[in-house]
Amino acid sequence: QKEVEQNSGPLSVPEGAIASLNCTYSDRGSQSFFWYRQYSGKSPELIMFIYSNGDKEDGRFTAQLNKASQYVSLLIRDSQPSDSATYLCAVYGGATNKLIFGTGTLLAVQP
Amino acid sequence: SAVISQKPSRDICQRGTSLTIQCQVDSQVTMMFWYRQQPGQSLTLIATANQGSEATYESGFVIDKFPISRPNLTFSTLTVSNMSPEDSSIYLCSVSTGATDTQYFGPGTRLTVL
Repeated sequence: QKEVEQNSGPLSVPEGAIASLNCTYSDRGSQSFFWYRQYSGKSPELIMFIYSNGDKEDGRFTAQLNKASQYVSLLIRDSQPSDSATYLCAVYGGATNKLIFGTGTLLAVQP
Repeated sequence: SAVISQKPSRDICQRGTSLTIQCQVDSQVTMMFWYRQQPGQSLTLIATANQGSEATYESGFVIDKFPISRPNLTFSTLTVSNMSPEDSSIYLCSVSTGATDTQYFGPGTRLTVL
């Protein structure tokens, strides 16, 4: 079982819709959870982090964490073509005490 | 967040040669890391660059192949030694301020080995 799992996609959504990106992790002791956006040919850019169960909102982005289910998600409201990128889920802490990345989900927002 | 620069941004190298990648931060940071991202793959941690002491390498990465220096709190280098085509990758520097475990990435170095 991979430590951090994401559906590779592509996830295709129409402009203006809500994009839902999901991530599961295996280490129950993980403490911090991050979402990065990576445009093709560019480096990862931090979008959000979340530490506690529940929702955290920042503009059009909402991160959701459920530690009991070992599940973290990112919702993007009013999706724009400029949101088209690979979204990387990363998990920190637990046994490894380092940042572990998923393989990323490719999001394509159709105009 | 800190402003991070990397040099070179890209390079094409011959098999058997070495390349040193520089990472410069505009403010002092607690932690600096080096990652590799192979084509179509996610990020893999190579090592943690420790200021004033030897880097801490992850499983599968060794100092002879990837020597790292960190002479101060704003600068680090990664050398890719005796390169082979399998070393073709994007190499990324990241930093953490230490107040949190949040990491911020530099722009990356795209390396092609022929």
